[in-house]
Amino acid sequence: QVQLVESGGGVVQPGRSLRLSCAASGFTFSSYGMHWVRQAPGKGLEWVAVIWDDGNNKFYGDSVKGRFTISRDNSKNTLYLQMNSLRAEDTAVYYCAREKKLEWNDARGIFDIWGQGTMVTVSS
Amino acid sequence: DIQMTQSPSTLSASVGDRVTITCRASQSISSWLAWYQQKPGKAPKLLIYKASSLESGVPSRFSGSGSGTEFTLTISSLQPDDFATYYCQQYNSFSLTFGQGTKVEIK
Repeated sequence: QVQLVESGGGVVQPGRSLRLSCAASGFTFSSYGMHWVRQAPGKGLEWVAVIWDDGNNKFYGDSVKGRFTISRDNSKNTLYLQMNSLRAEDTAVYYCAREKKLEWNDARGIFDIWGQGTMVTVSS
Repeated sequence: DIQMTQSPSTLSASVGDRVTITCRASQSISSWLAWYQQKPGKAPKLLIYKASSLESGVPSRFSGSGSGTEFTLTISSLQPDDFATYYCQQYNSFSLTFGQGTKVEIK
């Protein structure tokens, strides 16, 4: 079945780095744009980053621009999020999400498949 | 960035009630709006996209409407499984943004 499984979360000190992974299965990973979305404890959803199917286009939310890097390895069906210079406000559950394929002239950027999330806690 | 504002933040309702949630965008987003349902400890689930298109497998009691800057999500007859938090999301432009959420509680 179609599945996304995140890993790599944990407790990290402010200023340090962490890399999240998202393993995809049950669909042709290389044909889909992929996103990271996060949710701070008790808060709403915040979009983090997107990478298009071929990996050539990437966009980031303002709060992570310059600190986080999204990447993918289509040969391994895996999405990554490299998080550097972490701050307390980066504490959240991080979800990877598959971008829904729409009509050719539709805007893009909605999510039809989500992982279960991985918790990142930034604390000294 | 486009700001998304939902109202109300919390809604108390009973099974069988008709429920409406509003989402307003800070600028026109055409029909590029989606709605998600999230239950505690779970990932969000896509309900509606392109303002009014029902995602496959979503019950027909859910419907969406609107365009430009004002949108609504309606649940025609609230069921026990519908008590959750609902988020709108614009995809007119990157950076993608969500509303702050509307929690639907049991009255």
